[in-house]
Amino acid sequence: KQEVTQIPAALSVPEGENLVLNCSFTDSAIYNLQWFRQDPGKGLTSLLLIQSSQREQTSGRLNASLDKSSGRSTLYIAASQPGDSATYLCAAGGQNFVFGPGTRLSVLP
Amino acid sequence: DAGITQSPRYKITETGRQVTLMCHQTWSHSYMFWYRQDLGHGLRLIYYSAAADITDKGEVPDGYVVSRSKTENFPLTLESATRSQTSVYFCASSGTTGAFRGYTFGSGTRLTVV
Repeated sequence: KQEVTQIPAALSVPEGENLVLNCSFTDSAIYNLQWFRQDPGKGLTSLLLIQSSQREQTSGRLNASLDKSSGRSTLYIAASQPGDSATYLCAAGGQNFVFGPGTRLSVLP
Repeated sequence: DAGITQSPRYKITETGRQVTLMCHQTWSHSYMFWYRQDLGHGLRLIYYSAAADITDKGEVPDGYVVSRSKTENFPLTLESATRSQTSVYFCASSGTTGAFRGYTFGSGTRLTVV
């Protein structure tokens, strides 16, 4: 059974820092990995999707990489801003995703 | 408008009542999912559907019923609501035409059972 974990559970950084969020999964035979952002009381917004044939994706200040052999994905956020404060979740699998518990990020002005 | 919509946005119901949460998507995505999100448990899959008239249980299906007579709709029914079903419920969809494009989520329904 696929299990997804995320480290750290919470992170507080000053504005402007570059940071890395980690996602680990137990079944390396995943097909896809997707990163989401969730603001308090809101739904999940898709940030980046890494499909089975890809190793990384970039969107603006965000970069996500996938290493199936080690069972890890990282989300890199460059030059963090207070507006980046949210919970970040990763999900791994085929058509059925398993979600990690999330990393709660606070970016302090 | 195109997208995935959930209704109602908020619902308060009494223990033992039947409640139906609605989910509608306009992309003709084949897959649809229902999750519940609770503090300490994260997102847990309740039921999913691969196509109209095809549904399957997820991790926590007890006490819930789903149907999918049309591709665009995937209602979730709590047959006899219990306090433990107080949660935020999210619907999601994904397509199977061409490359996998990931999940898209609705805005959620916050359900309180009193």
